Amino acid sequence: ETGVTQTPRHLVMGMTNKKSLKCEQHLGHNAMYWYKQSAKKPLELMFVYSLEERVENNSVPSRFSPECPNSSHLFLHLHTLQPEDSALYLCASSQESRQFLYGYTFGSGTRLTVV
Amino acid sequence: QKEVEQNSGPLSVPEGAIASLNCTYSDRVSQSFFWYRQYSGKSPELIMSIYSNGDKEDGRFTAQLNKASQYVSLLIRDSQPSDSATYLCAVTSGNTPLVFGKGTRLSVIA
Repeated sequence: ETGVTQTPRHLVMGMTNKKSLKCEQHLGHNAMYWYKQSAKKPLELMFVYSLEERVENNSVPSRFSPECPNSSHLFLHLHTLQPEDSALYLCASSQESRQFLYGYTFGSGTRLTVV
Repeated sequence: QKEVEQNSGPLSVPEGAIASLNCTYSDRVSQSFFWYRQYSGKSPELIMSIYSNGDKEDGRFTAQLNKASQYVSLLIRDSQPSDSATYLCAVTSGNTPLVFGKGTRLSVIA
């Protein structure tokens, strides 16, 4: 266990479904992230909750919606996804200061398949 | 657009040899550099970080940074079959989110 727990590990959903991915970190970090990993592409940053601010990648479709109720929990709400959204979704956390970022700790990921 | 470039490989080395993995980055103000190892079907795991020019050693791993050339590398000495994985280079300038390369797939042949 890395200290970052993601559930579920695997998810198959239809294009009309609504589901949520959950992430919880037990490391006392103050920043959490959602990344998407597709085959033969770099890790793509989707959303950041950092020092109580939310930063997002403007290219992420609105069918992905993040929620961060506190510094230990992060959700990714999914609705009306497309087959091209099938990927590994990774949550990460880090300890961040205003001047410096330390390395991330990743969760085990959720393998999402959209059918 | 900040970019991190890595040769996708596969890089094949015999067991016991030195594996050399390379990474270049485009953002000149980058300050922190990380190497992650990712086994197939698993999530990335941080193995090295480096912040200043020169070499940093940790066991069989050595990270090398040259900010003037915008180049960072990872050397793995005495490579083992268990080192076979994809190695991701990641870069940040200050407290901005990490930018990752596509990764280099390493195969250590017994």
